[in-house]
This record gives sequence, C-alpha cells and structure tokens, in this order.
Amino acid sequence: EVQLLESGGGLVQPGGSLRLSCAVSGLTFSSHGMSWVRQAPGKGLEWVSVISCCDGNTKYADSVKGRFTISRDNSKNMLYLQMSSLRVEDTAVYFCAKNFLGFAFYFDYWGQGTLVTVSS
Amino acid sequence: EVVLTQSPGSLSLSPGEGATLSCRASQSVDSYLAWYQQKPGQAPRLLIYDGSSRAPGIPARFSGSGSGTDFTLTISSLEPEDFAVYYCQQRTHWPRTFGQGTKVEIK
Repeated sequence: EVQLLESGGGLVQPGGSLRLSCAVSGLTFSSHGMSWVRQAPGKGLEWVSVISCCDGNTKYADSVKGRFTISRDNSKNMLYLQMSSLRVEDTAVYFCAKNFLGFAFYFDYWGQGTLVTVSS
Repeated sequence: EVVLTQSPGSLSLSPGEGATLSCRASQSVDSYLAWYQQKPGQAPRLLIYDGSSRAPGIPARFSGSGSGTDFTLTISSLEPEDFAVYYCQQRTHWPRTFGQGTKVEIK
C-alpha cells in the first residue's frame, strides 16, 4: 500500500522558517517525481513545487520562488520543503503528492497534509 | 498563468441523479486536464486525467470529455459517497493550476 505521511507543520511567525517532511512508502520512491500542493483554509488547491525523480530538476510557483526549496533523499524515501521568509498568505495545509505520468503532470497519491499557520 | 474557471460553484442534487460539471481554461490546454474529488478533511483523489481517461480504480459512472478550453466531468448517477468538491487541473503550462472547485451537495 502506498503511503505518504507529512510532518513538520505548525505555528510560525511571519518572516520565520519551517521545514516540512514527507515520508513515502509502498512504492519505488526514486522512480517518481514528487510535488507539494497547498490549500489555504476553506480555499482551493495551489500547486507549489515539483522535483524530478533523479536529476534534481525543480520548479516552483511564482508565489514561493526564492523563498521555498524542495529537495529529496532517495536513500531515505523522504521529500522535503524548506520554507523561509514565511508570510501570512502561506498559511495552508501542505500536501505532498506523487507525480503521475510525468513531471508534475498529475498527482495520483497524496498524503493527509500538514497544517502550516503563519501568524504573529 | 492559465486560469481554470469551474461552473457552477455548487450543485444541489439527489442520489441517483446525474451531474455535469464544467471547467473552462483561459487558454488551450490541449487535452491535458485532470479532475479530482475532495471530501472534507481528506486529500484530493485523482478521478480523470488527459481529459477523458479514468484513473485506476475509479468507477465507470465518472467520465470526462473536452479539449482545448472547455471540459466536462459527468457523473452518471450520483452515489452517496460522490457528494464532495471537484477540482480540475491543467498540466500543459507552468505553473500547474487548479480550478476553484465545484461543490456537489445533497439536495
């Protein structure tokens, strides 16, 4: 069974930093691109970032470019999102998701999400 | 960025009825559009990809159609578990974008 489990969310002040983690099991992690998607409270979905399986290729939404860094450790089956210079508008549930068919084409397995709250 | 506009915003229907949800893109996304279902407190679930292909394990009552800028998700006969929010998503252009969602409610 494929499982994705996020952790690392919490309350942080504006301008602060946080690192999210996503532990993946039940699939060959090193074969798949992975993404982060977020959802502000009561709002829709927003794609945040993607990292390829193998060559470190990454892309970011403009809203987080220069502030967030996606990374992965294929030896540990772990995906990360380092978030810095956090803003109130970054408050959201952050989901990690496995890419389906290609580089952030679609997302077929999702974690349950971890809540990040940016507030003073 | 490609803006996906979903309509209607909400739909009130009874179990057994059919549902038709629309997603319109601000520019062509070819056939590269997906549909997701999300229930409260849960992660989204991939239903349809590439406009009309059902994801593994998705019941046949869900079907997708369209290309270019206009897409439709059809649920042929609503089951109680189908009442949820549905999102479309395009994968043609960066950044990947989602529609704002259509809520299918029980009448």
